[in-house]
Amino acid sequence: DTEVTQTPKHLVMGMTNKKSLKCEQHMGHRAMYWYKQKAKKPPELMFVYSYEKLSINESVPSRFSPECPNSSLLNLHLHALQPEDSALYLCASSQVRGAGSFNNSPLHFGNGTRLTVT
Amino acid sequence: DAKTTQPNSMESNEEEPVHLPCNHSTISGTDYIHWYRQLPSQGPEYVIHGLTSNVNNRMASLAIAEDRKSSTLILHRATLRDAAVYYCILRDVDYGGSQGNLIFGKGTKLSVKP
Repeated sequence: DTEVTQTPKHLVMGMTNKKSLKCEQHMGHRAMYWYKQKAKKPPELMFVYSYEKLSINESVPSRFSPECPNSSLLNLHLHALQPEDSALYLCASSQVRGAGSFNNSPLHFGNGTRLTVT
Repeated sequence: DAKTTQPNSMESNEEEPVHLPCNHSTISGTDYIHWYRQLPSQGPEYVIHGLTSNVNNRMASLAIAEDRKSSTLILHRATLRDAAVYYCILRDVDYGGSQGNLIFGKGTKLSVKP
């Protein structure tokens, strides 16, 4: 069990569908992250939120739209995805320490949502 | 981001120590060395991190070379549950308000034989 909960665990969607991935943590962490992981590859950073504001977008296509409605929740809205977007989507959270820096705070990951785009 | 080099795979026997190497010859003075692992069908899990001195916690030990150009993650007694991909990652310390992104390299796949 992890302290970061992701739903759903599995999702199959067509290229014209709109769906959302959800992530929740109650550890009081004010930084939250989305990563994408293709099979047998390392996780790739997509987005970083700090104090509910988007601070990093790693050149992710606009068909992925993140949202952080409050300090405990992180969503990833999906629209018009392509089959190559099929992957494991991982959410993580971490503390923020002093002067907005949290570079050494460990990230706590969820177990991901396995997305298949047909 | 400074890069790390790890062997693609390693094998260990159960209940024996495992030494997982990581080279980071371009490490800067403000880079911390972090280790995460990812068990099958799970998200990555934090293991340990350090700057210059060796570090110990309940999961593992981290030995850092004096010149900081390499480090070794030590699992003192491998169990079957330790079979995972181990990632060595450098994170820059930045007190200017920006983030030290956790950027994963390829990692080492550790197999543990009973």
